[in-house]
Amino acid sequence: AQRVTQPEKLLSVFKGAPVELKCNYSYSGSPELFWYVQYSRQRLQLLLRHISRESIKGFTADLNKGETSFHLKKPFAQEEDSAMYYCALITGSGNTGKLIFGQGTTLQVKP
Amino acid sequence: DAMVIQNPRYQVTQFGKPVTLSCSQTLNHNVMYWYQQKSSQAPKLLFHYYDKDFNNEADTPDNFQSRRPNTSFCFLDIRSPGLGDAAMYLCATSRRAISTDTQYFGPGTRLTVL
Repeated sequence: AQRVTQPEKLLSVFKGAPVELKCNYSYSGSPELFWYVQYSRQRLQLLLRHISRESIKGFTADLNKGETSFHLKKPFAQEEDSAMYYCALITGSGNTGKLIFGQGTTLQVKP
Repeated sequence: DAMVIQNPRYQVTQFGKPVTLSCSQTLNHNVMYWYQQKSSQAPKLLFHYYDKDFNNEADTPDNFQSRRPNTSFCFLDIRSPGLGDAAMYLCATSRRAISTDTQYFGPGTRLTVL
């Protein structure tokens, strides 16, 4: 079964502390994974994708196929990072991509 | 700014009264998606259009229909809303027919069923 699991509903850290948002997936094929973010009163938007191997707003995520994980990390959290974060797996063949989302983790960065 | 627009942002309907949610895009994307997101749950794909080709998810109830009259607009019709259909409905688009293309989301329409 294709599934994305985010075990933490809420992660609360202080400003400047390291952050790790956990994501595990179950997928039989070669996975394409993403992190989407939703800031307060804003729309869901792409944060980063594993194939790009990029750092966005200081966040990085490494795909670990052995552990079937795609954890999102940032060394020093900022208050503006407070948001809902969704890990997502893209599935489907041919023409279109079906996103399967995890339940989401609310990141709260306290001053 | 090019974007995905959803109207209305909040919709209240009565149990069993048909309702239509609207999505438009100025991105000229080929693919349009509808997701349902219930409270404290992950967004779940209902169906999508690739150009005019409609693709329904196997577990999408028959109560949900969609129309795409042109590239820019896509509608979600709920024929007989039940209390369990109360949710946030998200529209998204992607440019190319490649599975890894970025999906751009609208702000969502929050549906309340009384």
